[in-house]
Amino acid sequence: DAGVIQSPRHEVTEMGQEVTLRCKPISGHDYLFWYRQTMMRGLELLIYFNNNVPIDDSGMPEDRFSAKMPNASFSTLKIQPSEPRDSAVYFCASSTQQGYEQYFGPGTRLTVT
Amino acid sequence: DQQVKQNSPSLSVQEGRISILNCDYTNSMFDYFLWYKKYPAEGPTFLISISSIKDKNEDGRFTVFLNKSAKHLSLHIVPSQPGDSAVYFCAASNSGYALNFGKGTSLLVTP
Repeated sequence: DAGVIQSPRHEVTEMGQEVTLRCKPISGHDYLFWYRQTMMRGLELLIYFNNNVPIDDSGMPEDRFSAKMPNASFSTLKIQPSEPRDSAVYFCASSTQQGYEQYFGPGTRLTVT
Repeated sequence: DQQVKQNSPSLSVQEGRISILNCDYTNSMFDYFLWYKKYPAEGPTFLISISSIKDKNEDGRFTVFLNKSAKHLSLHIVPSQPGDSAVYFCAASNSGYALNFGKGTSLLVTP
């Protein structure tokens, strides 16, 4: 299997612009997680899905953030409008069992200027 | 509030010696613990895990120890190799809820 795929790998955008991050989980994994990594807060969970349904979005920082999973093989994380404090590395992960071993993608490094 | 804490941001060890990475947690409901390894520009990769019903789990050069009374776990790497140089994350789960990660410890193994 190709593993978890994320795109783009790097994104540089100006404040106020819309940003869309994409993720393709490992086939057969029914859990999908979005994390954000910063120096200050480390790896923090933003939202996770089970069978394409959002289960817990309590980690989503603001209404500017939204995530969707239209089918089992694709998810997006959208930031609109983006702000400089959103600059971070965003990881997508998938697993077959909630809370246990998760497989991470390579991440998207987002820079908002 | 950080429920999983890795108090040492960095650690340097000589090749061939033992590396010990530590992790403390505050939530007594956590029942499954994992260690992840991360190289620059890559996502974290699963390394080893332990259930709360055990106090030790071993996989090759890697051993995880769990002390539930102290809410402490540690990862031992013996012998350490230069390729082990990476950031190591401790994570914990509560009966099927999402993982809580520590901030990581950067390990440098010097020749």
